[in-house]
Amino acid sequence: QVQLQESGPGLVKPAETLSLTCTVSGGSVNSDYWSWIRQPPGKGLEWIGYVYYSGNTKYNPSLKSRVTMSIDTSKEQFSLKVNSVTAADTAVYYCARGGCLRCYDSSAYFDSWGQGILVTVSS
Amino acid sequence: SYELTQPPSVSVSPGQTARITCSGDALPKKYTYWYQQKSGQAPVLVIYEDTKRPSGIPERFSGSSSGTMATLTISGAQVEDEADYFCHSTDSSDTHAVFGGGTQLTVL
Repeated sequence: QVQLQESGPGLVKPAETLSLTCTVSGGSVNSDYWSWIRQPPGKGLEWIGYVYYSGNTKYNPSLKSRVTMSIDTSKEQFSLKVNSVTAADTAVYYCARGGCLRCYDSSAYFDSWGQGILVTVSS
Repeated sequence: SYELTQPPSVSVSPGQTARITCSGDALPKKYTYWYQQKSGQAPVLVIYEDTKRPSGIPERFSGSSSGTMATLTISGAQVEDEADYFCHSTDSSDTHAVFGGGTQLTVL
């Protein structure tokens, strides 16, 4: 089964940009949809958006103005950037396979997840 | 914005049936997916497309959907089933994926 691993800084200063990378192994990013999901401490899950292997993206309207996702098929990686972060962006960030919004097959749901990475926004 | 509503907590004794509901206006036309999240771990898919169970998920987990409500049923709940459970679907306009607020299942 495909495995995912998040990497990036665990501490980001307010107003700066949060940058994370997800590395895929045991499979290829050269197909399917790849999502980022976050979970503030003690709270629920929030879908941030997806990047398709072609580079097409779709973002949660609530975060769209601050989010950028990209994919590098040669490195089997996809990435997330969130700019102008505040304390409200403190969360465990997960990468996952799936998240297609207009699909009615396995691309729609999240069947493989990374272990998650805690990102704290603090000066 | 679109919301999926779950009860904050459900409690059962071992061997009893646990039912966790998820309500949303778009559910009559959209699939519901369910995830189990144990403390400190990433979520795991337990039900997809309303009623289907991934390989490796025990048969005691089942799903159903009727109208604006989807239900995750754990028949004969075990202590190891204690976890948070989240439902997931999309809004009617396919603008974003949505998770329910989560239900904490206690089995004791």
